Amino acid sequence: DTAVSQTPKYLVTQMGNDKSIKCEQNLGHDTMYWYKQDSKKFLKIMFSYNNKELIINETVPNRFSPKSPDKAHLNLHINSLELGDSAVYFCASSPQRGGTYEQYFGPGTRLTVT
Amino acid sequence: AQSVTQLGSHVSVSEGALVLLRCNYSSSVPPYLFWYVQYPNQGLQLLLKYTSAATLVKGINGFEAEFKKSETSFHLTKPSAHMSDAAEYFCAVSDLTGRRALTFGSGTRLQVQP
Repeated sequence: DTAVSQTPKYLVTQMGNDKSIKCEQNLGHDTMYWYKQDSKKFLKIMFSYNNKELIINETVPNRFSPKSPDKAHLNLHINSLELGDSAVYFCASSPQRGGTYEQYFGPGTRLTVT
Repeated sequence: AQSVTQLGSHVSVSEGALVLLRCNYSSSVPPYLFWYVQYPNQGLQLLLKYTSAATLVKGINGFEAEFKKSETSFHLTKPSAHMSDAAEYFCAVSDLTGRRALTFGSGTRLQVQP
């Protein structure tokens, strides 16, 4: 009955590879997000989708491409991985209507690029 | 643009002592404010939120925070620290436009000494 789930939890890969991280929420929320947490624990928004429509696309290399097949899923595909992509990636969701803007986070995916 | 400043990257208290984690925000309009907690190797859990109702907000695990507009502050407190409170704490402010992105502070690591 996990509210926001991510797979995989750990991802170790080599430079130049392409990888995907999947996120699913069962909260019935309309909006989903990807955040990146760097080695200093700093969290920064990358993308958000509302009902499968891209709302936020921060200054992120275009090697990162989010895809939302439906409002319960938001995946993150990363091409040509670089060492600097090593981080923890968090998925989150929030209701679009009403609510008070709080977001619910998944457990994170720790990506290590070697 | 909104921003959040957390004073003190590390705070250490004795078990049973008062916990005070500081957060100051910058926003052109009254914001929504949040405190999240992150335990090691876990996602972020919402502790409490301020959404322009009561200025003193109570959250989970005995934490509370007071919104002070004159000081642009939203400090987190707990009267008596428990060993299980040791974690990273993040203050966040919400973008009140349709983007709804959260802007996070840099985090404060709370250590609780026996």
